[in-house]
Amino acid sequence: QVQLVESGGGVVQPGRSLRLSCAASGFTFSSFGMHWVRQAPGKGLEWVAFIWSDGNNKDYADSVKGRFTISRDNSQNTLYLQMNSLRAEDTAVYYCAKDRTSDYFDYWGQGTLVTVSS
Amino acid sequence: QSALTQPRSVSGSPGQSVTISCTGTSSDVGGYKYVSWYQQHPGKAPKLMIYDVNKRPSGVPDRFSGSKSGNTASLTISGPQAEDEADYYCCSYAGSYTWVFGGGTKLTVL
Repeated sequence: QVQLVESGGGVVQPGRSLRLSCAASGFTFSSFGMHWVRQAPGKGLEWVAFIWSDGNNKDYADSVKGRFTISRDNSQNTLYLQMNSLRAEDTAVYYCAKDRTSDYFDYWGQGTLVTVSS
Repeated sequence: QSALTQPRSVSGSPGQSVTISCTGTSSDVGGYKYVSWYQQHPGKAPKLMIYDVNKRPSGVPDRFSGSKSGNTASLTISGPQAEDEADYYCCSYAGSYTWVFGGGTKLTVL
């Protein structure tokens, strides 16, 4: 069955960097696009970034463009999110989600919490 | 990339139907047939309930249905059950490989 397991969250100071990982299994990782979606404490879902199956194209929400970078290693079945210049408003649970036909998110991980605080 | 508009909360009893609306613009909901709905229980990951406006993934009860008219999509739950009490989020493709979510609606089953 499809499994997505995020890791790398934690407490980080404003302006610092953090890299999240998402280990995928149970499907042909290299055949599907992948997303990061976040949820601030007590708030709604916010789409963050998308990467095509081959990693050649990436798109970002305006709120993270220029600061976050999505990438993937298809040989390791792993998705990444490099987060630089972190701000307090980036505090959230970050979910990785599998894409289905560039249309919707059919499987989600359990999330990893990132807290940006001094 | 403004969030889609959903009511903060709705409620209903098992003998009723409950509808959650999701209003966007012609650049997202109104412009594509790619509206999806997600259920989220407290402390859990979201779960896909409806995709492509009105399609149900395998395993989702048929009391869940979706529709769209113009810039507004809707999720209807016919006879909500206790286990359906959760937060519900709509999501629409917004062009250029970007997506936008609604603010979420809390469903209370009376």
